[in-house]
Amino acid sequence: ETGVTQSPTHLIKTRGQQVTLRCSSQSGHNTVSWYQQALGQGPQFIFQYYREEENGRGNFPPRFSGLQFPNYSSELNVNALELDDSALYLCASSPRGQGIDSPLHFGNGTRLTVT
Amino acid sequence: GESVGLHLPTLSVQEGDNSIINCAYSNSASDYFIWYKQESGKGPQFIIDIRSNMDKRQGQRVTVLLNKTVKHLSLQIAATQPGDSAVYFCAESTGGYQKVTFGTGTKLQVIP
Repeated sequence: ETGVTQSPTHLIKTRGQQVTLRCSSQSGHNTVSWYQQALGQGPQFIFQYYREEENGRGNFPPRFSGLQFPNYSSELNVNALELDDSALYLCASSPRGQGIDSPLHFGNGTRLTVT
Repeated sequence: GESVGLHLPTLSVQEGDNSIINCAYSNSASDYFIWYKQESGKGPQFIIDIRSNMDKRQGQRVTVLLNKTVKHLSLQIAATQPGDSAVYFCAESTGGYQKVTFGTGTKLQVIP
């Protein structure tokens, strides 16, 4: 069974640029969620994708957007990067449809640094 | 790698002792609770979960206790080992689309 994989592992961007982060969900999982984790804090929910549509969003501005593909993989796009966007971005997948009580399975994240 | 545990409450325990990590949650509507372990440079790793219709659940060396009256969750680790050193997060979720809200985390340091 393949776990959640994310790419790239590290990324450095300049303020104002755009970035795309990628995630492959765990085998058998059809739902992908994205989280932002600032240094020393817990992960914060950005949004979730199910059946290729956004299905729930946290308190993040519209410049954070995403996609889910038919194979359940996903992208997180961030436009007009700001210094405060520097964080670890975590992707998590889960097998929705088998009941709500299924834990999220996380990848190891992409460390984004905005300079 | 850089630590995920900066400025977090820290619990130091002797190897072989039992550890208890506590968490207060805020949403009385939450019905599913999860404990995650996060090592430096890695994503959160699932440890154990519990539904709101239960007050105790045991796994291998770990036990989760849920007190809905005071909105309190605890994680007990038996015979703590050096490999248990990490940041531990409690998380809560309500029914629906599985938005999971994480607590602030506790850093566990195991003293050999």
